[in-house]
Amino acid sequence: SAVISQKPSRDICQRGTSLTIQCQVDSQVTMMFWYRQQPGQSLTLIATANQGSEATYESGFVIDKFPISRPNLTFSTLTVSNMSPEDSSIYLCSVYDFSYEQYFGPGTRLTVT
Amino acid sequence: GQQLNQSPQSMFIQEGEDVSMNCTSSSIFNTWLWYKQDPGEGPVLLIALYKAGELTSNGRLTAQFGITRKDSFLNISASIPSDVGIYFCAGHGQAGTALIFGKGTTLSVSS
Repeated sequence: SAVISQKPSRDICQRGTSLTIQCQVDSQVTMMFWYRQQPGQSLTLIATANQGSEATYESGFVIDKFPISRPNLTFSTLTVSNMSPEDSSIYLCSVYDFSYEQYFGPGTRLTVT
Repeated sequence: GQQLNQSPQSMFIQEGEDVSMNCTSSSIFNTWLWYKQDPGEGPVLLIALYKAGELTSNGRLTAQFGITRKDSFLNISASIPSDVGIYFCAGHGQAGTALIFGKGTTLSVSS
């Protein structure tokens, strides 16, 4: 299985600022996804990070708020822009490659004050 | 959109007891996966199921892909304290799409 790392592991940010989360995979993968897990909740898909093209966002998520980059097959970033306390969540990077087994990074725990 | 109903929401059991949880969907899924999430960690894949009727074991865990392709269950036998955590079912409706998750079952085990 792919080994996924995320930076930072956690952060406390002020309202109105932005945070960029990095996701690094130890092998090339075709599909990378970003999920949000609000406190005590399940995982909700934010977007699919497409290599070399714009990300595909799920309903309720927009590029201006959650810009995503994917410059190559092993790396992606998610930015949480103009943060508010409602953005306090765990953000998870996930990958799968030519199979239906999807793996997750350790997550980035974000608190917005 | 597709939704998964996972039950029970939480369980409180004694060490050594068996546990069962299940998921149902409003539409057909092509794969079912079961994950466990410990506090402060990302979900870890436990079992993946690919065919209707498939029954797969991983140690004390057993999961089945329902014949209708709209449901799956996970059993844990002889529970131990380290089984504590949140268990999520998840599925793919279509190839190449991201997983859809159930709301999770929180398992507590008392010794």
